[in-house]
Amino acid sequence: AQSVTQLGSHVSVSEGALVLLRCNYSSSVPPYLFWYVQYPNQGLQLLLKYTSAATLVKGINGFEAEFKKSETSFHLTKPSAHMSDAAEYFCAVSYSSNTGKLIFGQGTTLQVKP
Amino acid sequence: DTAVSQTPKYLVTQMGNDKSIKCEQNLGHDTMYWYKQDSKKFLKIMFSYNNKELIINETVPNRFSPKSPDKAHLNLHINSLELGDSAVYFCASSLSSGGYSDTQYFGPGTRLTVL
Repeated sequence: AQSVTQLGSHVSVSEGALVLLRCNYSSSVPPYLFWYVQYPNQGLQLLLKYTSAATLVKGINGFEAEFKKSETSFHLTKPSAHMSDAAEYFCAVSYSSNTGKLIFGQGTTLQVKP
Repeated sequence: DTAVSQTPKYLVTQMGNDKSIKCEQNLGHDTMYWYKQDSKKFLKIMFSYNNKELIINETVPNRFSPKSPDKAHLNLHINSLELGDSAVYFCASSLSSGGYSDTQYFGPGTRLTVL
């Protein structure tokens, strides 16, 4: 079955520290991968997406992610965390055979400490 | 200008009632979706419509009925509400359903509480 796993439901970092949020997918067909962010009481906003072009994808707010087929991973990173990055982050996958349906991971809450 | 809007933002109702949530997008997209986010923040697709045609219908109780009067609107009607229906419901839209790499744009959500 096609699925997405986010390791760590809660990640806490200090302001200025590296942010690393992990995402692994399971699939036998090429995936399209997305990272969305959800700020409190808001909808989801796209951070970045992988669509089989460059494996290193740069997104908004200084985030980037690298697609590693051998590891079936699409981890999200940011060199230096800001307080405003505190939010819920969702990894999602879509496949060419599934009519655009997004399958989401369970989400990771990012806490940024001053 | 809000790209994807939903009304109402909050909905509190009694078990057994019928309620509707409305969604509108002004992006000119062909495809719209309904997602349910449960209390653990897990998101799952419920339905999608492409240009008023039902494309995705996940395993959802038939008390839930989507209706798309035109491609800019996708409403969700829920009959005989149950406690387990309490959740945040998100509407989303994308350029096309065949564009599996298309970005989906989400509305602000409707928090439904069933008492």
